Amino acid sequence: KAGVTQTPRYLIKTRGQQVTLSCSPISGHRSVSWYQQTPGQGLQFLFEYFSETQRNKGNFPGRFSGRQFSNSRSEMNVSTLELGDSALYLCASWTGVANTEAFFGQGTRLTVV
Amino acid sequence: DQQVKQNSPSLSVQEGRISILNCDYTNSMFDYFLWYKKYPAEGPTFLISISSIKDKNEDGRFTVFLNKSAKHLSLHIVPSQPGDSAVYFCAGRPAGTASKLTFGTGTRLQVTL
Repeated sequence: KAGVTQTPRYLIKTRGQQVTLSCSPISGHRSVSWYQQTPGQGLQFLFEYFSETQRNKGNFPGRFSGRQFSNSRSEMNVSTLELGDSALYLCASWTGVANTEAFFGQGTRLTVV
Repeated sequence: DQQVKQNSPSLSVQEGRISILNCDYTNSMFDYFLWYKKYPAEGPTFLISISSIKDKNEDGRFTVFLNKSAKHLSLHIVPSQPGDSAVYFCAGRPAGTASKLTFGTGTRLQVTL
C-alpha cells in the first residue's frame, strides 16, 4: 500500500513569488491536512480538507490556501512568498474514522531567498 | 498560547535503560493524544496513541500514560535502543475536529551505547 506522497521534495523560490505544493494521500483516505514546521517550532496546523471541502483552518494569513480534488489529492498554495515562509511543509492523510492516526508524507522543504 | 508543551528539548539515555518523555497540555477539549517520532528530513511516523477515556496504552516497548487531572502525558520506551534516537512529538486532538492536531515542540532523544 503506497504511503503519502508529497511533491516536490525540495523547492527554492524568491520573495514575492508564489508556490504550489502537492500531496497524494493514501488510497481510500478522504482527509488531507497540511502542517508547517519551522526551526524551533512544533508542527503548526494550516488547514484540513475532507471530500473537497475545507473543514478546519489554522491561524495563517490568507496567502496560504489549498484545495482538494475529487480523487482526494490536495494542493497547497502560498502567494507573495516571504522569507519567513521557509519551512518544511507536511501533508497528513487520514481515513476519517475517529480515534485513528494520521499518516504523514516526507514533506516539501521550501526555501525562500 | 501553546496548548501542548514539551518542556524538555532534549534527553540522553543509555541503551537498555528507560526513556521517559513528558508532555503537558492545557486544552481540556482534547480527547485523543498521539506520539510521533521524526527523523531529520522525513515526515513524522506514528508511534502510539491514547484516548482520553483511558490512562494507559501499551504497544511493545512503548507505553503512553495519561493523567487527565494533571493534564499530563508521558511516553515510556523500555528498553531504549540506538534506533530510537529521533525527535518525539506529542499531539492532542479535540473531539469533533477531525484530524486537526496540535503538536508540542518536540523532544530530541539520544540513546547512547
